[in-house]
Order: sequence, then structure tokens, then C-alpha cells
Amino acid sequence: DAKTTQPPSMDCAEGRAANLPCNHSTISGNEYVYWYRQIHSQGPQYIIHGLKNNETNEMASLIITEDRKSSTLILPHATLRDTAVYYCIVKWGNTGNQFYFGTGTSLTVIP
Amino acid sequence: DSGVTQTPKHLITATGQRVTLRCSPRSGDLSVYWYQQSLDQGLQFLIQYYNGEERAKGNILERFSAQQFPDLHSELNLSSLELGDSALYFCASSVGGTSGGGTQYFGPGTRLLVL
Repeated sequence: DAKTTQPPSMDCAEGRAANLPCNHSTISGNEYVYWYRQIHSQGPQYIIHGLKNNETNEMASLIITEDRKSSTLILPHATLRDTAVYYCIVKWGNTGNQFYFGTGTSLTVIP
Repeated sequence: DSGVTQTPKHLITATGQRVTLRCSPRSGDLSVYWYQQSLDQGLQFLIQYYNGEERAKGNILERFSAQQFPDLHSELNLSSLELGDSALYFCASSVGGTSGGGTQYFGPGTRLLVL
């Protein structure tokens, strides 16, 4: 089962780029990397996902290394509303599509 | 708004009681997932249903059960409640249900407090 490792916490100045790393060295070839965030006790919010290539959407960019053992989520211009716990996830389990959330990175955006 | 709805938002009950949490998935989604989030355990996958059938099981206690109905809404039943069952319960949905991918969209959660 592919698991992920993330730093427990990070700070970022408002307006600067936030770069959140994730290690997933046991990821298998057909497993996607997903990023979610959770603000306070709200439901986790989908951010972005990717398989091999770098991805960008209106919220963030996802950079996946060529060996796929790690990735970085980039929030290009962090705002105070980006303060949240960010989870890097790969599918876990041999059946179904369940996610293993881990402990995530608590990002604090500082004014 | 993810399109996933959960009721009730808050639930307060006593130990030994039974409660039912309800989830309506996004339109077109066939899979429903249940997760539990407590202070000391983080987000834990409980169970997944796909088009009415159980697809995968996680750390779900025997006192807990779930089902997905023909209209695709799902219910999570928690019985013989204990203080430690106090947690946030999230439902998520996705289009597919098999391995290989599938973005999950989460509802706002039900906060359960067992006294």
C-alpha cells in the first residue's frame, strides 16, 4: 500500500509561493497522486491530481519527479485563506478506491 | 460547495444509543465513501459502496454498518455508541469505484458527540 510522508508544518508569507513537498516512494505505476486540503473542520477540498506529468489548475500546480517517488504542490500566491492542513494522497488498498490521508502538512500563511 | 450533502450537521446522543448518518452523493457519482476523523486518529477510511454494493472496507468497527440505496444515497449506522465514537464523519463520492483513480468530493461532515 502506497503511503506518503509530509512535513508536519510549514509557514509561508502572504503573497509568496508555498511549496509543499511529499514523498511517496512506494507508489506503483498506475497510482495517481492527489492533493486535498482541510480548512478547520470542514470537509476535505480537492485541489489537484496527477499521474506522471506536471499539472496546473486555477488553484495550484503539481510537480511530480520523473521517478514519481516525490511531488510538490505549489500555491503560487498564498493568501490567508490558504491556511489549512494539506494532504498528499495516493490510493491505498487492493480494491476499491479508498484514500489514506496520513497526517498532512499544516500550512500557516503569515500576513 | 462540493455537491455532496450530509445530514444532520450535528448530533448529540448518549452512550449505548444508535444513530444514522445520511449522505447524498453528487449527481452522477456511483461511489460513496465514509471516513471518520477524530482528534487522535486523523481521517480514517471506513467503507466504500459502489452502485449499491460494498466495494472496500477499512477500519470500520463491527458496531458500525452502512448501506447504499437504489437512489445512491448512503446511510452509516452507528450502534452501541461509546464516548470514543465522538468524531467528525465525512462522506465522499466519486464517479467510479475501482482502483486506478477517481477524484473524491467530500461533504461538510456530521459532528457526532457522544455523552
